[in-house]
Amino acid sequence: GAGVSQTPSNKVTEKGKYVELRCDPISGHTALYWYRQSLGQGPEFLIYFQGTGAADDSGLPNDRFFAVRPEGSVSTLKIQRTERGDSAVYLCASSLGATTGELFFGEGSRLTVL
Amino acid sequence: AQSVTQPDIHITVSEGASLELRCNYSYGATPYLFWYVQSPGQGLQLLLKYFSGDTLVQGIKGFEAEFKRSQSSFNLRKPSVHWSDAAEYFCAVAPGAGNNRKLIWGLGTSLAVNP
Repeated sequence: GAGVSQTPSNKVTEKGKYVELRCDPISGHTALYWYRQSLGQGPEFLIYFQGTGAADDSGLPNDRFFAVRPEGSVSTLKIQRTERGDSAVYLCASSLGATTGELFFGEGSRLTVL
Repeated sequence: AQSVTQPDIHITVSEGASLELRCNYSYGATPYLFWYVQSPGQGLQLLLKYFSGDTLVQGIKGFEAEFKRSQSSFNLRKPSVHWSDAAEYFCAVAPGAGNNRKLIWGLGTSLAVNP
């Protein structure tokens, strides 16, 4: 497919468990972003990658959240010791550049922490 | 701090009617402004954006938006709404070039279209 792909589309887990969410960006897009969207809210910036490195992780809420992009393509968002407040839709986007390029979003991964 | 306000949480219009969705922003300099649409089961899609120049911006799907600095507004318009336009609409601002990543979003406006 040509778009941003996110897996899983839905994830239900128990409080305290570890979760990984995967994002496969559009081929050739060097910039990758993670956002979080809670019910009734707009997306909230989490982290941004330019290539393999996290250029800006200022949006990560705490040290339970971590993201990697080891080869500059696929990215994984990792959440440790999940809490009920982590329940949200996690959105991934990619763009050709990090300045004024259009963001292309995936459909999101809906995380529910019971 | 920068912020985006979408005053209308939910709007219902009849098919064929005109539409205006409001967006107000708070930012000290000229921001980069965006409108995105989120349809059920689909990712957010960019409708249009304003960076500089002509304050009336044309987008996809027949949408347009007008940047009004004096009112700190960037309202989205469409002259004739189609049933397929029913979706959630988000206004967003990027605080300048190089900050495309740190978009600040409004809470969204849910649009329903009556046949």
